[in-house]
Amino acid sequence: KQEVTQIPAALSVPEGENLVLNCSFTDSAIYNLQWFRQDPGKGLTSLLLIQSSQREQTSGRLNASLDKSSGRSTLYIAASQPGDSATYLCAVYALGGSYIPTFGRGTSLIVHP
Amino acid sequence: EAQVTQNPRYLITVTGKKLTVTCSQNMNHEYMSWYRQDPGLGLRQIYYSMNVEVTDKGDVPEGYKVSRKEKRNFPLILESPSPNQTSLYFCASRQTSGTGQETQYFGPGTRLLVL
Repeated sequence: KQEVTQIPAALSVPEGENLVLNCSFTDSAIYNLQWFRQDPGKGLTSLLLIQSSQREQTSGRLNASLDKSSGRSTLYIAASQPGDSATYLCAVYALGGSYIPTFGRGTSLIVHP
Repeated sequence: EAQVTQNPRYLITVTGKKLTVTCSQNMNHEYMSWYRQDPGLGLRQIYYSMNVEVTDKGDVPEGYKVSRKEKRNFPLILESPSPNQTSLYFCASRQTSGTGQETQYFGPGTRLLVL
């Protein structure tokens, strides 16, 4: 059974820092991997999706990488801003057609001015 | 605007009183699913549907029912709610093109309290 771990669980940084959030998974037979952002009490917003054949995806200040063989993905946030404060979730989608995702428990990020 | 909508957003009910949470998407997605989110447990899938009239259990289906009579709608039914079903519920949808590029879209969530 797939297990997804996100480290660290919480992070507090001053504005302007570059950040790395980590996601590791136990079964490398994945369909794709998706990073989400969740604001308190709100739904999930998709940030980046990486297909299993890809190594990385970029959107603005965000860059996500995938190393399937080692079971790892990282989300890099450049020049962090207070508006980046949220919980970041990693979801790994299984092969086999059911697309059932396994979510990590998230990294809670606070960027203070 | 592409979106997934859920109703109601907040609900307080009592044990045993049947309730339905509606979910609708306007993106013509085949795949829809329901999740619950609980502190310390993260997001867990309850049920999913690959297309109209095709539904299957996720990781935590006990106490829930779903139906998929139309492509755009996927209601979640709690026939006899219990306090352990107090949670934050999310509906989601995605395309199933098989390209690996199918982004999942989430609704805003329904916060349920069962007394």
